[in-house]
Amino acid sequence: DTAVSQTPKYLVTQMGNDKSIKCEQNLGHDTMYWYKQDSKKFLKIMFSYNNKELIINETVPNRFSPKSPDKAHLNLHINSLELGDSAVYFCASSLYRGLQNNEQFFGPGTRLTVL
Amino acid sequence: QKEVEQNSGPLSVPEGAIASLNCTYSDRGSQSFFWYRQYSGKSPELIMSIYSNGDKEDGRFTAQLNKASQYVSLLIRDSQPSDSATYLCAVPPGGGADGLTFGKGTHLIIQP
Repeated sequence: DTAVSQTPKYLVTQMGNDKSIKCEQNLGHDTMYWYKQDSKKFLKIMFSYNNKELIINETVPNRFSPKSPDKAHLNLHINSLELGDSAVYFCASSLYRGLQNNEQFFGPGTRLTVL
Repeated sequence: QKEVEQNSGPLSVPEGAIASLNCTYSDRGSQSFFWYRQYSGKSPELIMSIYSNGDKEDGRFTAQLNKASQYVSLLIRDSQPSDSATYLCAVPPGGGADGLTFGKGTHLIIQP
């Protein structure tokens, strides 16, 4: 059974386009995240959602807009894609927010390539 | 700026030896510490978590935490070629904020 899933796995698009990445978790977790891993493999938090509410937005351009229709889903929409947006985007989820036990589980990632 | 520092490596260890991976963090308020393993082209996989000073053992893995020195390490005993991967140290920021701050990872190579 897939715990955290993402679609699509690969996304190749032109500069200026708008695209979305979807994430779903079946772990019953109440907090979900988006991370970006750049070409140097540095993994950085972008957004955090708890019970469909945005908790953090770590200096991400407003071309990136997360949406959480329910606790099990967190989607990422990106407008006006730029070359620098090329990266692997990981969705993650955890059961507790802000408590000591903040173990996060990652989805398989979406490799975005902007041409 | 909360930071997590790791030696990027590569760290080369012969098969069967102990691999020692180190991590330092800047936020004294941090309460939880995690080690993730990431194979090339794959997602990070949680392998160890530690919350208290001292050692925590799980199979061939031992995590060590020293909050006074702001230092956390991961030991891998009886290293196997399948342990070759990038190991990421991750720390939630103190104060209850969400999201993990990751180090840049240590690339570990186990030589057969």
